[in-house]
Amino acid sequence: DADVTQTPRNRITKTGKRIMLECSQTKGHDRMYWYRQDPGLGLRLIYYSFDVKDINKGEISDGYSVSRQAQAKFSLSLESAIPNQTALYFCATSRAGGEDTQYFGPGTRLTVL
Amino acid sequence: QKEVEQDPGPLSVPEGAIVSLNCTYSNSAFQYFMWYRQYSRKGPELLMYTYSSGNKEDGRFTAQVDKSSKYISLFIRDSQPSDSATYLCAMSPNTGNQFYFGTGTSLTVIP
Repeated sequence: DADVTQTPRNRITKTGKRIMLECSQTKGHDRMYWYRQDPGLGLRLIYYSFDVKDINKGEISDGYSVSRQAQAKFSLSLESAIPNQTALYFCATSRAGGEDTQYFGPGTRLTVL
Repeated sequence: QKEVEQDPGPLSVPEGAIVSLNCTYSNSAFQYFMWYRQYSRKGPELLMYTYSSGNKEDGRFTAQVDKSSKYISLFIRDSQPSDSATYLCAMSPNTGNQFYFGTGTSLTVIP
């Protein structure tokens, strides 16, 4: 089984709808992240969480919110989706201390019409 | 100015060629340097990880970090068609609070 899973893998929705993307991990990592990837812009950090009680805004948090339900679960919500939120969304995890690197999920392709 | 600059390519090479991928950065606080490989419709996967300056080799892959020039490189020897992917550089400061990614270089290795 994959260490970092994301659901759904693909989603098409309409402007104004509320959308939740979910991420689960079995790596036992404390830190979790949400990114979006756009052509020519690379990966941009939306939110990150260092533990269950810790939530931090990233570079592009406007229009998004997150919830860290447990160490292994981190969800991303679009309160009222708009077309420029059409992108590929990735969840990632890392551990505190030691080798400082991130492990990514397979991504969710979101299209907002 | 972006924290991390990476030439997007695309880069196309014949099988067996040596490939050089590069990133420059502006933040002297970066200590951790990574290269990720991303196949189409997949998440990035860690390829190489380096702390501070120096070289690291893993099979056909060599990562180099030159902190004095704020420049990192990934070399791929004897490139294979299976190396065709987008390569992302990433880096973070000591605290590891945030990772900064390049935009990625698209590589195609032609059989």
